[in-house]
Amino acid sequence: AQSVTQLGSHVSVSEGALVLLRCNYSSSVPPYLFWYVQYPNQGLQLLLKYTSAATLVKGINGFEAEFKKSETSFHLTKPSAHMSDAAEYFCAVSSNSGGSNYKLTFGKGTLLTVNP
Amino acid sequence: DTAVSQTPKYLVTQMGNDKSIKCEQNLGHDTMYWYKQDSKKFLKIMFSYNNKELIINETVPNRFSPKSPDKAHLNLHINSLELGDSAVYFCASSQEGGLARETQYFGPGTRLLVL
Repeated sequence: AQSVTQLGSHVSVSEGALVLLRCNYSSSVPPYLFWYVQYPNQGLQLLLKYTSAATLVKGINGFEAEFKKSETSFHLTKPSAHMSDAAEYFCAVSSNSGGSNYKLTFGKGTLLTVNP
Repeated sequence: DTAVSQTPKYLVTQMGNDKSIKCEQNLGHDTMYWYKQDSKKFLKIMFSYNNKELIINETVPNRFSPKSPDKAHLNLHINSLELGDSAVYFCASSQEGGLARETQYFGPGTRLLVL
């Protein structure tokens, strides 16, 4: 079964500092990986996704992630944190649930706080 | 225009009651999903429908019954509500549902509190 593990349930950075949110995956087949963001009391919004086209994926709001097969990782980064980046971030893998049906299996989430 | 909408946004009810949550998407997608997010923010899929047909049914108590009157709507009915049902329920949709690389679009969530 495919799964993702997010290291660190809470990451705190200063405004302007580098953001690094870690995600490792477990998959017996080439994975499709996603990062979603959830702002307080809102739904989930796609930041970016890896679909095997390029290992470095650029997303919205200045975020990017690099797929590293050798490390089974898909870490999310942003060079300079902004106060508005404070949110819960979820890594997810698309896994087959039978036939040609797919579901998202999420990590436990990482809460990012940005200090002024 | 809201792509995926849910009603109600908040739902407070007593144990043992029956309640429904509605979801509508105006994206023209074929597949819709229900996810449950618990108090620790863990998200887990419950059901998925493709063109009104149930295609994913995770290990969910049969007190939960999804219904899809058409491919733009997916409702969730919960019988005999229990304290453990308190959670945020998210509806989502995707264009086809048969592709691993598809993006799922989420609604704003329904916050259910069972007292």
